[in-house]
Amino acid sequence: QVQLVQSGAEIKKPGASVRVSCKTSGYTFTNYYIHWVRQTPGQGLEWMGIINPSGGGPNYAQNLQGRVTMTRDTSTSTVYMEMSSLRSEDSAVYYCARGAYGSGSYGTFDIWGQGTVVSVSS
Amino acid sequence: EIVLTQSPGTLSLSPGERVTLSCRASQSVNSDYLAWFQQIPGQAPRLLIYATSSRATGIPDRFSGSGSGTDFTLTIARLEPEDSAVYYCQQYGSSPRTFGQGTKVEIK
Repeated sequence: QVQLVQSGAEIKKPGASVRVSCKTSGYTFTNYYIHWVRQTPGQGLEWMGIINPSGGGPNYAQNLQGRVTMTRDTSTSTVYMEMSSLRSEDSAVYYCARGAYGSGSYGTFDIWGQGTVVSVSS
Repeated sequence: EIVLTQSPGTLSLSPGERVTLSCRASQSVNSDYLAWFQQIPGQAPRLLIYATSSRATGIPDRFSGSGSGTDFTLTIARLEPEDSAVYYCQQYGSSPRTFGQGTKVEIK
């Protein structure tokens, strides 16, 4: 079955970087976009950006430009999200999700990873 | 950025009751690009409805969606105990994709 399996929880200090992986299986990796979404109690669900596993540049949310980088490894069907210059307000659950039911890069999210908790604290 | 406002914030209803959740957009949303999700505590969101009224795979027919322009609705025809969750609307036709703040449905 279609699965997105994310890496484990992370604890980071302010100013550090974190990389979260999202390993996909059960479908053709290059046929579907992958989105990243984070969730905090205060801000709810926030879309972070999108990457096309078949190539082309990612597209990031404007407020995260310069701090987030999304990459993919087609040999392992895995997508990565790296965030730098972490601050306490980046503490959240980070999700990857597969894009579907739309047109091109504008699809909703039909399959989600289980989430990765990232805690930022001194 | 399209802001989605959901109401009410919390609902407390009995099993078998009909539930209507509202999602209002700050500007018009193409109905092909409006979705609803269900999130149970500790789990990832689950897609219920896409393109305003199409049920995702495996979603029971007691869930239905409707609306157009700036006003959209999720209806649960007969509430089941397992429907206790937070429900989110999402627009995915423009960037950034945005979510509503959620409506919590509690079962009495």
